[in-house]
Amino acid sequence: DVKVTQSSRYLVKRTGEKVFLECVQDMDHENMFWYRQDPGLGLRLIYFSYDVKMKEKGDIPEGYSVSREKKERFSLILESASTNQTSMYLCASKTGGREKLFFGSGTQLSVL
Amino acid sequence: ELKVEQNPLFLSMQEGKNYTIYCNYSTTSDRLYWYRQDPGKSLESLFVLLSNGAVKQEGRLMASLDTKARLSTLHITAAVHDLSATYFCAVDFTGTASKLTFGTGTRLQVTL
Repeated sequence: DVKVTQSSRYLVKRTGEKVFLECVQDMDHENMFWYRQDPGLGLRLIYFSYDVKMKEKGDIPEGYSVSREKKERFSLILESASTNQTSMYLCASKTGGREKLFFGSGTQLSVL
Repeated sequence: ELKVEQNPLFLSMQEGKNYTIYCNYSTTSDRLYWYRQDPGKSLESLFVLLSNGAVKQEGRLMASLDTKARLSTLHITAAVHDLSATYFCAVDFTGTASKLTFGTGTRLQVTL
């Protein structure tokens, strides 16, 4: 079975802190994604990566950056956390082509 | 604008009843995904609908796609409590599945 692992289930950070969210997948997938999930808004794509060191902006990239130094790992970085970034963050991965996404269990981030 | 709308947003139904969740989308696509999310858990893929007229069934759930109407339905037959979850549809507008657009989700509550 595909496993997508997010390093933290819950995180509490202060406004202005730099925050790292880590995601690792074990199925050699080319594509990795970061979504945020907010009530009433569904899932919105922040960034995705289709190869090592490659990244593309999603629909809401402002205030975020990403890093993909190794194929299995995709990091989401909040350079200076703000309260409006309090959300559930979901990492996902998939093979090339139009296959389905496999999701991690999510990180609930609270920025105080 | 690329939009995916689900309705209803919330559905409370009794065990044994039938109901349908609707997913409308704003522009041409020939691939649509359905996911399920249990409370506090991540998203799990249910169906991938690949073309106009596609129908997929698993257990008490049946999904269909009408690309001309830009509509997908998720039909629940003889609901059971275990189906209580939030259901999301997601549309591939890019043709590459690199940027899925998710609906807001339908929270289904099946009562005894």
